[in-house]
Amino acid sequence: KNEVEQSPQNLTAQEGEFITINCSYSVGISALHWLQQHPGGGIVSLFMLSSGKKKHGRLIATINIQEKHSSLHITASHPRDSAVYICAVLLEYGNKLVFGAGTILRVKS
Amino acid sequence: KAGVTQTPRYLIKTRGQQVTLSCSPISGHRSVSWYQQTPGQGLQFLFEYFSETQRNKGNFPGRFSGRQFSNSRSEMNVSTLELGDSALYLCASSRASPRDLVSDTQYFGPGTRLTVL
Repeated sequence: KNEVEQSPQNLTAQEGEFITINCSYSVGISALHWLQQHPGGGIVSLFMLSSGKKKHGRLIATINIQEKHSSLHITASHPRDSAVYICAVLLEYGNKLVFGAGTILRVKS
Repeated sequence: KAGVTQTPRYLIKTRGQQVTLSCSPISGHRSVSWYQQTPGQGLQFLFEYFSETQRNKGNFPGRFSGRQFSNSRSEMNVSTLELGDSALYLCASSRASPRDLVSDTQYFGPGTRLTVL
């Protein structure tokens, strides 16, 4: 079993829809990152969370430490949001980043 | 402020050769981490350097090595290349203090796409 599981693996949405991507982990962590990767490889760090909720524009990230679960929400989705979204956890011991397999999001206009 | 730069962007090598990839972090950033991304394994952590010292290492064979210079620039080297080493190699930098380690926001470079024939 992978230490970090993401769902769904693939997601197609219509422009304007509310999108949720989930991340569950089975290890102790000190922080969780949400990353965005566009075709061509460039990765952007969206959020780093250790508790609660963060918001940036149309993006919202939440984490529940007790349930070992995080969600990334996109409100009013747009075709430019089409990308791979990757959840990564910083292990509590060893300070290594472990990545989920990613969620491929396609937003159609 | 310039972002993280990686050179070269593309590289083709043959099995058995060695390769050196370079990463220049954002000015003022002292931590540099390296990652390998393949279609089969996804993103995997290689190692992290802070102030010229390797602080952490992933589960890769000894053929993968790295170093960091006093100006925070970092290089990674892969010796005796295998077909399975074909991947996108990404580096990321962060301010990270000695206590924060890799917990600071990381800024990724565009990657070096290595193809081993």
